[in-house]
Amino acid sequence: QSALIQPASVSGSPGQSIAISCTGTSNDIGGYNHVSWYQQHPGKAPKIMIYEVINRPSGVPDRFSGSKSGNTASLTISGLQAEDEADYYCSSFTSSNTWLFGGGTKLTVL
Amino acid sequence: QVQLVESGGGVVQPARSLRLSCAASGFTFRTHAMHWVRQGPGKGLEWVAFISWDGSVKYYADSVKGRFIISRDNSRNTVDLHMSSLTAADTAAYYCVRDLSEKYSFDYWGQGTLVTVSS
Repeated sequence: QSALIQPASVSGSPGQSIAISCTGTSNDIGGYNHVSWYQQHPGKAPKIMIYEVINRPSGVPDRFSGSKSGNTASLTISGLQAEDEADYYCSSFTSSNTWLFGGGTKLTVL
Repeated sequence: QVQLVESGGGVVQPARSLRLSCAASGFTFRTHAMHWVRQGPGKGLEWVAFISWDGSVKYYADSVKGRFIISRDNSRNTVDLHMSSLTAADTAAYYCVRDLSEKYSFDYWGQGTLVTVSS
């Protein structure tokens, strides 16, 4: 079970928009709408930002949005803010009744 | 508020066993499936194990299958992870995580307990 593929790093200036991709296969991302995204600040536990591809839990700003096309999911953050600087992980349920995470993407707000 | 508090981490020698426990509060524990997720030092997240709300269904990552056992006690609001035949590759912070019901995602995380496998 290989990890989902994410870029190691992305960056953007305050106010800009960025997108983080997450690529899997037809056995995970492409086969289910069970993709979620997590934000992790250094030394902290992860926090759910998106579930079921596009849904935001209460309390998550609407600057965060999710999408999916084929075997690739994406997290878009618009109106970047300094506090968005963190590591981001995607996750998907799989046809083997397991869950996979991406390798993580470090977001730097310039 | 939802709280998940892990315990049982520490330093353990290779090939030995260790049991982690997670105490849950602030929600109706018996109605939620639970997971364990780990994160090696400076590494990404790795899903480890799942247990259904009633304990009847369990899933494991290939990397731990046959060595780790997940269990729960709905009368005590606890979920455990019994780990055996430990290797250095199992060194990680282990998080107890609540399942977002029927959404195949993880909505509340504990603060983690560190397991170090070293001689």
